[in-house]
Amino acid sequence: NAGVTQTPKFQVLKTGQSMTLQCAQDMNHNSMYWYRQDPGMGLRLIYYSASEGTTDKGEVPNGYNVSRLNKREFSLRLESAAPSQTSVYFCASDDRAQRVTEAFFGQGTRLTVV
Amino acid sequence: EDQVTQSPEALRLQEGESSSLNCSYTVSGLRGLFWYRQDPGKGPEFLFTLYSAGEEKEKERLKATLTKKESFLHITAPKPEDSATYLCAVQARGNTPLVFGKGTRLSVIA
Repeated sequence: NAGVTQTPKFQVLKTGQSMTLQCAQDMNHNSMYWYRQDPGMGLRLIYYSASEGTTDKGEVPNGYNVSRLNKREFSLRLESAAPSQTSVYFCASDDRAQRVTEAFFGQGTRLTVV
Repeated sequence: EDQVTQSPEALRLQEGESSSLNCSYTVSGLRGLFWYRQDPGKGPEFLFTLYSAGEEKEKERLKATLTKKESFLHITAPKPEDSATYLCAVQARGNTPLVFGKGTRLSVIA
């Protein structure tokens, strides 16, 4: 049982380059999330998808776009990377629309923008 | 606005020295309070969910409690393997996403 799988695990980008972070979950969860984690800032929500076909902005959405490809997959795109987007990115999923339940996290993508 | 504040930011304990981590919250109707453990280079791992004031949950050396304004994570006789960052998060009513605190970094020295 894989849970939440993120790819890639590590990435180095040059300023202005674009990339897509991939996330897939195999728990049949309705809701999926993208967070970023920076030293001293905790986990901050970038975007989330409460259910297939919907997406909403979180606390720090600027510079990012998302796509809920299907119930399993939720991708995060950086169109023109900036050094301020250097961070560790976590994808998570849960079924909170149905009941109060914990979120499951992936192992993270460590992104460096130079 | 929903907010979560964790204290202390960092805590260093000797093996066997019990202590508590604090999570204070303000939320528009609490649906659930969550504790997670995060090891370096890993994603957060779920520990507990608390739903209402007065509730307690235990797992090995960890015990989580909840009041109307805060939650405590009590660590009894900690071991070096308990070293990690502990995160607290709340979910408000209305099916909103989790709001996380900044975490407490715990180091247990043998």
